[in-house]
Amino acid sequence: DAGVIQSPRHEVTEMGQEVTLRCKPISGHDYLFWYRQTMMRGLELLIYFNNNVPIDDSGMPEDRFSAKMPNASFSTLKIQPSEPRDSAVYFCASADRGQLRNEQFFGPGTRLTVL
Amino acid sequence: AQKITQTQPGMFVQEKEAVTLDCTYDTSDPSYGLFWYKQPSSGEMIFLIYQGSYDQQNATEGRYSLNFQKARKSANLVISASQLGDSAMYFCAMGNIPQAGTALIFGKGTTLSVSS
Repeated sequence: DAGVIQSPRHEVTEMGQEVTLRCKPISGHDYLFWYRQTMMRGLELLIYFNNNVPIDDSGMPEDRFSAKMPNASFSTLKIQPSEPRDSAVYFCASADRGQLRNEQFFGPGTRLTVL
Repeated sequence: AQKITQTQPGMFVQEKEAVTLDCTYDTSDPSYGLFWYKQPSSGEMIFLIYQGSYDQQNATEGRYSLNFQKARKSANLVISASQLGDSAMYFCAMGNIPQAGTALIFGKGTTLSVSS
């Protein structure tokens, strides 16, 4: 398996622009997580899905952030409008609750810079 | 509320020595899972080891072992025979169910530097 795939790997945009981050989880995984990593706040959960349904979005900073999972193989995290404080590395992770080894598989991350 | 505390911002160790990275946690849930991840300078998150709250034995994965002391709410990572490639940031994390399908709360991390 190719692992969790995220695109783009790097994104530089200007304040006010819309940004869309994409994630393809590992096939067969029924959980998908979006995390954000910053120097100030560390790694924090934004939202997670189970079987394509959002379960907990309490970590989403504000209404400018939205996430969707239209099917089991694709999820997006959208920021509109973007602000400089959104600059961070955004990780997508997936997991299978039935797996023998308890591991959340992380994607390589998207490094977002908002100027 | 759940919380993970890693009190060591940085640790230094010589190659081939063992090192312990500290992690304490706080939760009122009777069942939970504890995870350790490694983040090298390249940025990816690499899973190292997992411990469920009801597991009777401490988890081991190769050179990694987890010193789980439930009463003290600690889950320290022990790396035996350190290698230069172990230099990285290490994160302790907790989930509120003892499985991988759980949102993780991360500690601030510990930077490990291994020298020759």
